[in-house]
Amino acid sequence: SQKIEQNSEALNIQEGKTATLTCNYTNYSPAYLQWYRQDPGRGPVFLLLIRENEKEKRKERLKVTFDTTLKQSLFHITASQPADSATYLCALDIGAGANNLFFGTGTRLTVIP
Amino acid sequence: NAGVMQNPRHLVRRRGQEARLRCSPMKGHSHVYWYRQLPEEGLKFMVYLQKENIIDESGMPKERFSAEFPKEGPSILRIQQVVRGDSAAYFCASSPPLVETQYFGPGTRLLVL
Repeated sequence: SQKIEQNSEALNIQEGKTATLTCNYTNYSPAYLQWYRQDPGRGPVFLLLIRENEKEKRKERLKVTFDTTLKQSLFHITASQPADSATYLCALDIGAGANNLFFGTGTRLTVIP
Repeated sequence: NAGVMQNPRHLVRRRGQEARLRCSPMKGHSHVYWYRQLPEEGLKFMVYLQKENIIDESGMPKERFSAEFPKEGPSILRIQQVVRGDSAAYFCASSPPLVETQYFGPGTRLLVL
């Protein structure tokens, strides 16, 4: 069965540093992978989507890589700020043209001032 | 353009009662998805609907749970004869046709006493 693992439940970093979050998956080949941000008591907010034929995607201070050989995506936040503190979720399509997403359990990032 | 709206935001039910959760997608979005999030767990897909059709209900329990997205009005997730294990946050997401990104509502937090 499909499995998604995000590197750690919690990650603490100093303000100004680069945060790197990892998403590993097994047992299938998604057509794309998405990253979402979720704040306590709120719904997830879409950040970035990267397709299987793309190596890297950037948006402002965010960068996502997608290695289909390693079955891994890395999510980077450069020049991190306390406002970046949140839970970050990776999500994959389940293939076969389906639209529903398969989510990891998330990494809770805390940026320390 | 208002975002995805869900109501109620909080719902308390006693065991055996019915819970009705409503979701109004963003304007122009014809695809609706329901997810459940248990404490300390990831989002789990439940059902994917388009107007008047259930496209994929593979994540929904076979008994007590049903969903609809009528031609007019919001999508409804209905849970009959609730049990304590149904306590969770239920999120609705919507998307336009042919777009993979999903836009999430704020969720309904169901507590079964």
